[in-house]
Amino acid sequence: AQSVSQHNHHVILSEAASLELGCNYSYGGTVNLFWYVQYPGQHLQLLLKYFSGDPLVKGIKGFEAEFIKSKFSFNLRKPSVQWSDTAEYFCAVKENQGGKLIFGQGTELSVKP
Amino acid sequence: GAGVSQSPSNKVTEKGKDVELRCDPISGHTALYWYRQSLGQGLEFLIYFQGNSAPDKSGLPSDRFSAERTGGSVSTLTIQRTQQEDSAVYLCASSAGAVGLQPQHFGDGTRLSIL
Repeated sequence: AQSVSQHNHHVILSEAASLELGCNYSYGGTVNLFWYVQYPGQHLQLLLKYFSGDPLVKGIKGFEAEFIKSKFSFNLRKPSVQWSDTAEYFCAVKENQGGKLIFGQGTELSVKP
Repeated sequence: GAGVSQSPSNKVTEKGKDVELRCDPISGHTALYWYRQSLGQGLEFLIYFQGNSAPDKSGLPSDRFSAERTGGSVSTLTIQRTQQEDSAVYLCASSAGAVGLQPQHFGDGTRLSIL
């Protein structure tokens, strides 16, 4: 069965610090990869997505993610976080021919001003 | 444009009662998904529809849970004889299609509390 693992449950950073959130998945076939963000009191929003091509994907708000096929990883990065990035971040995987998203446990990011 | 709309936003009910949750997807989106989000279990898939058919209902936790979609639009998730472990936020999402990179757009959810 597919599964997604996010390495960190809660990350606390100061503004301007660099961010990297780990995500590993287990699935042998062709997958689509996503990062979603949930700001406090808001619904889940798509940050970025990847299927093929350049393994470095750029998303909204300065976020990027790198797909490393050999490591089954899709880590999220941002060079310099802001207080407004405080949110919960979810990595998700979907079979290319399937419908459902399999989510990781989520990583809560707290950015101190 | 309008996003995914869910109602009610909050529902408190007594154990043993039936509840019905509603999802109105983005206009034109053929695929519709139900998930639930709870503290202990994270975000779990329940069921998805392509049109009015449900190709994957593998995430429904028990036969107390059912869902339907009519007219390729609105969907309802019904939980019969609710139990305390059903307490969670129930999320609905829709997408232009289920295959490939079509992103799923989420609603605000229905927070269900079983007393």
